[in-house]
Amino acid sequence: ETGVTQTPRHLVMGMTNKKSLKCEQHLGHNAMYWYKQSAKKPLELMFVYNFKEQTENNSVPSRFSPECPNSSHLFLHLHTLQPEDSALYLCASSQESSSGANVLTFGAGSRLTVL
Amino acid sequence: GQNIDQPTEMTATEGAIVQINCTYQTSGFNGLFWYQQHAGEAPTFLSYNVLDGLEEKGRFSSFLSRSKGYSYLLLKELQMKDSASYLCAVRDSNYQLIWGAGTKLIIKP
Repeated sequence: ETGVTQTPRHLVMGMTNKKSLKCEQHLGHNAMYWYKQSAKKPLELMFVYNFKEQTENNSVPSRFSPECPNSSHLFLHLHTLQPEDSALYLCASSQESSSGANVLTFGAGSRLTVL
Repeated sequence: GQNIDQPTEMTATEGAIVQINCTYQTSGFNGLFWYQQHAGEAPTFLSYNVLDGLEEKGRFSSFLSRSKGYSYLLLKELQMKDSASYLCAVRDSNYQLIWGAGTKLIIKP
């Protein structure tokens, strides 16, 4: 496996379900991100983890709960979601440094549909 | 507020040249990125500009003018596989990435 891998690729859930999205990066990067991508809207940054510590939470509702057990794995736990949460959830990683471009490498995303 | 503007959709012909513009208003500037995203796939990095001027990579070039808050992505010798969305993003003074909504490029034979 190379790059950033996300599972599942597609998920349909009811508003009362609990599910989790998984992300794994094989690049040795030190930062991981969750983004939300909705049609015709800019990418929305949800959470950032640097060296396993959460450094950013952009006013995301508590029904989204991130978990970063180590620098290679990132989870997004979902519960009691709303239909407007239906979107593509993208995971990304980067090697953060003070002098570099800090380019993001994205996974292919998890397409979430909330009924 | 911070804002990135790019056209929603563009159409071009196979073999031609197309220029996708991106204008930005951000709190400071620490680099501009272009990513390509094919439908159902991950965005992939295309280019990074931090100084004014043109950066060329094969058929793709990216230009930056910091004084005008303006960049463009130039695609030459268009191929059908270039049909994708192109995302512009600017890193602001807090090193936060501000994203545009993307430009969907349709290539016709």
